[in-house]
Amino acid sequence: DVKVTQSSRYLVKRTGEKVFLECVQDMDHENMFWYRQDPGLGLRLIYFSYDVKMKEKGDIPEGYSVSREKKERFSLILESASTNQTSMYLCASSFPRSPRTQYFGPGTRLTVL
Amino acid sequence: DAKTTQPNSMESNEEEPVHLPCNHSTISGTDYIHWYRQLPSQGPEYVIHGLTSNVNNRMASLAIAEDRKSSTLILHRATLRDAAVYYCILRDVGGASGSRLTFGEGTQLTVNP
Repeated sequence: DVKVTQSSRYLVKRTGEKVFLECVQDMDHENMFWYRQDPGLGLRLIYFSYDVKMKEKGDIPEGYSVSREKKERFSLILESASTNQTSMYLCASSFPRSPRTQYFGPGTRLTVL
Repeated sequence: DAKTTQPNSMESNEEEPVHLPCNHSTISGTDYIHWYRQLPSQGPEYVIHGLTSNVNNRMASLAIAEDRKSSTLILHRATLRDAAVYYCILRDVGGASGSRLTFGEGTQLTVNP
């Protein structure tokens, strides 16, 4: 079974802190994704990566950055956390070839106080 | 990704079949039909996908209309564990390398004991 793990299930941080969310997948997938999920807004894509050291902005990249130094690991960084970044963060991975099924981690619920 | 339309909510009784509909009248010839579900407090989970023919796997069946403008996810015997939000998503085989998923609001399935 494909496994996507995220470093924390729950995280509480203070405004202005730098926050690292880590995601690891064990299926040698080229593509990795970071989404956030908020009530009434569905899943929104923050960043994705289709190879090591490659990254592309999604729909809402402002306030976030990412790092992909190894194929299996994709990190989301909140440079200076703000209260409007309180959300559920979901990592996913997939092969680039059809049908590109995405496998999700369990999510990290981040609260910024 | 092309747009899909699903009912906001559906109810079923345990051990009865459930038919979850999805309309996708603007589907293109290269779009795969994917279904994901999200259990409470978990990340989305892949359920099934298809292109033109009906598909079966251990979780569910997917029935695709002949004109491909609609599809139905079939859970043959609903269990309490099947209570989740079900998302119907169209994926373009020839889409961008990012292969982003666009989740709508989905159908909230309630299973009554």
